Amino acid sequence: KNQVEQSPQSLIILEGKNCTLQCNYTVSPFSNLRWYKQDTGRGPVSLTIMTFSENTKSNGRYTATLDADTKQSSLHITASQLSDSASYICVVSKGSGTYKYIFGTGTRLKVLA
Amino acid sequence: DGGITQSPKYLFRKEGQNVTLSCEQNLNHDAMYWYRQDPGQGLRLIYYSQIVNDFQKGDIAEGYSVSREKKESFPLTVTSAQKNPTAFYLCASSTAQREESFGPGTRLTVL
Repeated sequence: KNQVEQSPQSLIILEGKNCTLQCNYTVSPFSNLRWYKQDTGRGPVSLTIMTFSENTKSNGRYTATLDADTKQSSLHITASQLSDSASYICVVSKGSGTYKYIFGTGTRLKVLA
Repeated sequence: DGGITQSPKYLFRKEGQNVTLSCEQNLNHDAMYWYRQDPGQGLRLIYYSQIVNDFQKGDIAEGYSVSREKKESFPLTVTSAQKNPTAFYLCASSTAQREESFGPGTRLTVL
């Protein structure tokens, strides 16, 4: 069964600290993996997209890693800011079939001053 | 939010009424999607369309209908048959390379 599981479900950290969010998937065949940031009441915004051959990609203070062998990805946030408070969603795209996106349930991050 | 617009941002509906949510994109994307998001849950696919005049049911299509008469537009109608329509609705579009962009969403509340 194609699934995407994210952990933790929620996370609270202090401003300036780093954190890492996890995404495990069982989607096959694999095409790509994306991380989205979703502010409350807004649409998700893409942070990174990685294909099978990429194992790390950065977007400012956000760094995503991908281990295609273990089917795991992580999103590392460096020097967190209050504006990082949001839900972070992992989405895996299948390599076949007419509909290809499998969504995780997200990690809700709260950054405190 | 890219080049995808959704309207209205907030929508209130009385029970038994049909309502239509608008989604327009100027990204020249072939594929468009409608998702429903409920608190604590991942996005669930309602309908999707890969080309004009063609669309497919997603995982939770019951009580919803769509049309795709133009490449730029993919309106969603929430019918009275949808038993629990209160939710946040997201429209998205994507390229053939599957780079998906989302709209800002419409929050529907049934009174």
